Amino acid sequence: GDSVTQMEGPVTLSEEAFLTINCTYTATGYPSLFWYVQYPGEGLQLLLKATKADDKGSNKGFEATYRKETTSFHLEKGSVQVSDSAVYFCALKNTGGGNKLTFGTGTQLKVEL
Amino acid sequence: NAGVTQTPKFQVLKTGQSMTLQCAQDMNHEYMSWYRQDPGMGLRLIHYSVGAGITDQGEVPNGYNVSRSTTEDFPLRLLSAAPSQTSVYFCASNNVLAGRSYEQYFGPGTRLTVT
Repeated sequence: GDSVTQMEGPVTLSEEAFLTINCTYTATGYPSLFWYVQYPGEGLQLLLKATKADDKGSNKGFEATYRKETTSFHLEKGSVQVSDSAVYFCALKNTGGGNKLTFGTGTQLKVEL
Repeated sequence: NAGVTQTPKFQVLKTGQSMTLQCAQDMNHEYMSWYRQDPGMGLRLIHYSVGAGITDQGEVPNGYNVSRSTTEDFPLRLLSAAPSQTSVYFCASNNVLAGRSYEQYFGPGTRLTVT
């Protein structure tokens, strides 16, 4: 079945550092890929998405490129801020899976001054 | 719009008790889902509904019931609570006809502890 693997956390960075959170997936067909963010005490919010190979999703300075050859969708940001501290979830939706999202386990990011 | 609302925010139950987690959305979304979030396991789908009167099982449905009598409401019932159901529960909704069918809107969550 479909699955998503994310790097373990927590990831601790200093403000203005470069961020990469790795995400790889296993799925048949051509899934759509997503990054969701969960701020403390809140529900998940969609951060960005890509629906086909080589698409780049971007939002709030974050970006991720759908790489079919490496089955990856790594999240990057050039300069993180304290306000980016949150848990980040990679997810996929397969074409034959109805509306079901398959989530990774989440990666906690802590940004310090 | 209030978006997706969930009540209560926190709940403690004893083993064997029953309760209903409430979820409502005011965006006229057709599709609603319940997830549970456990450490190291991400979010797992419990039940979902594609419209009023239609529900189906997700990945981990055992011990939970749902119903969908209106478009707005999608309550989750725990029939006989067990410690394994200690978790954070999220309700989500989206509109499959809006051209943005993949963006699920999540509620703030209900933190449930079963002792």
